[in-house]
Amino acid sequence: DADVTQTPRNRITKTGKRIMLECSQTKGHDRMYWYRQDPGLGLRLIYYSFDVKDINKGEISDGYSVSRQAQAKFSLSLESAIPNQTALYFCATSDDRDSYNEQFFGPGTRLTVL
Amino acid sequence: GQNIDQPTEMTATEGAIVQINCTYQTSGFNGLFWYQQHAGEAPTFLSYNVLDGLEEKGRFSSFLSRSKGYSYLLLKELQMKDSASYLCAVRALTGFQKLVFGTGTRLLVSP
Repeated sequence: DADVTQTPRNRITKTGKRIMLECSQTKGHDRMYWYRQDPGLGLRLIYYSFDVKDINKGEISDGYSVSRQAQAKFSLSLESAIPNQTALYFCATSDDRDSYNEQFFGPGTRLTVL
Repeated sequence: GQNIDQPTEMTATEGAIVQINCTYQTSGFNGLFWYQQHAGEAPTFLSYNVLDGLEEKGRFSSFLSRSKGYSYLLLKELQMKDSASYLCAVRALTGFQKLVFGTGTRLLVSP
């Protein structure tokens, strides 16, 4: 079983719709992250969370919001989707007790906004 | 701020050796990661360097020179399955220690 799961894996939606992407992990990590990946731009950080009570904006948080419902769950919402939010979205986790603090990525959600 | 540069694309032949370079400029440095990402899939961890020198792990090795802001990933005995993007990421020396990713190098291995 995958340690970091994302749902849905693919989603097509229309401009102006609200959409939620969900991430769950069984690794027991405190830290969770949301990234988006666009061709030629690499991975960019949207939001991150150290624990359930800690939420922080990343470099491209405008148009997005998040919710950390539990240690294992971190959801990303697009309140009113727009076409330039079409991208591949990744959730990641890490363990701050690990000397590497390596990030483990979910399988990704491919979002298309028409 | 931080800036990371790596070549956009490289090609190599099965069985050969390839070196993927990464240069970075950062206001604080606390380690460099290499990730492998097959098309449409999640990035997976390959290596981590925080001190100068070479880290070897099977067919893959990673080198770091902090004074030069330079790292490379060396892939030996290339296999077709090594065709993927290779992402260089630098960890900032801040309270959060976030990762900043380069745009990735797409490697195509041909027979």
